[in-house]
Amino acid sequence: NAGVTQTPKFRILKIGQSMTLQCAQDMNHNYMYWYRQDPGMGLKLIYYSVGAGITDKGEVPNGYNVSRSTTEDFPLRLELAAPSQTSVYFCASSPRDTYEQYFGPGTRLTVT
Amino acid sequence: GNSVTQMEGPVTLSEEAFLTINCTYTATGYPSLFWYVQYPGEGLQLLLKATKADDKGSNKGFEATYRKETTSFHLEKGSVQVSDSAVYFCALRGSNYQLIWGAGTKLIIKP
Repeated sequence: NAGVTQTPKFRILKIGQSMTLQCAQDMNHNYMYWYRQDPGMGLKLIYYSVGAGITDKGEVPNGYNVSRSTTEDFPLRLELAAPSQTSVYFCASSPRDTYEQYFGPGTRLTVT
Repeated sequence: GNSVTQMEGPVTLSEEAFLTINCTYTATGYPSLFWYVQYPGEGLQLLLKATKADDKGSNKGFEATYRKETTSFHLEKGSVQVSDSAVYFCALRGSNYQLIWGAGTKLIIKP
């Protein structure tokens, strides 16, 4: 069981570029989440999904898009990167019954 | 609406000291409560949880009791180690399949 995996671990983007952060889980969890964590701060929910084909906005969705074509994968797309998107991005998943969230190791993104 | 309030950090203690990190919540009903820990450079990990009032969660020497009278879920450990240095997050089960997170408390343990 790999749990929740994220790629890449680090990335530097130039302003205006786009990229996709990958997230996959092998625990057959229904729910998946994307958070960002700014330095010294807590977590902010970007998007979440309750199952394949179903996604919804969280607290800070602007500038991001997601898709969920399979139970396992939940990629996060950044369009037209801005310095305000410099952050650490965490993907998480949880089973339907307990709501316990399992986190990936994170992607550290810098936009310059 | 639901919310979680944690004590501000950083909390700095000497090794073997007693630890308390305060967490209070506002919620409808009695949702499950969680403590997560984030070690430097890593993702969050579930530390312990309590699913109903008066439950005590425990793990790795840490404990927290779900107290509905004071709407609290304080994290305690009797004797901390340098390896406990991390950021600790309190959370409650909210609606829409989400967890409601506290802001996190950074713990620094000095040898």
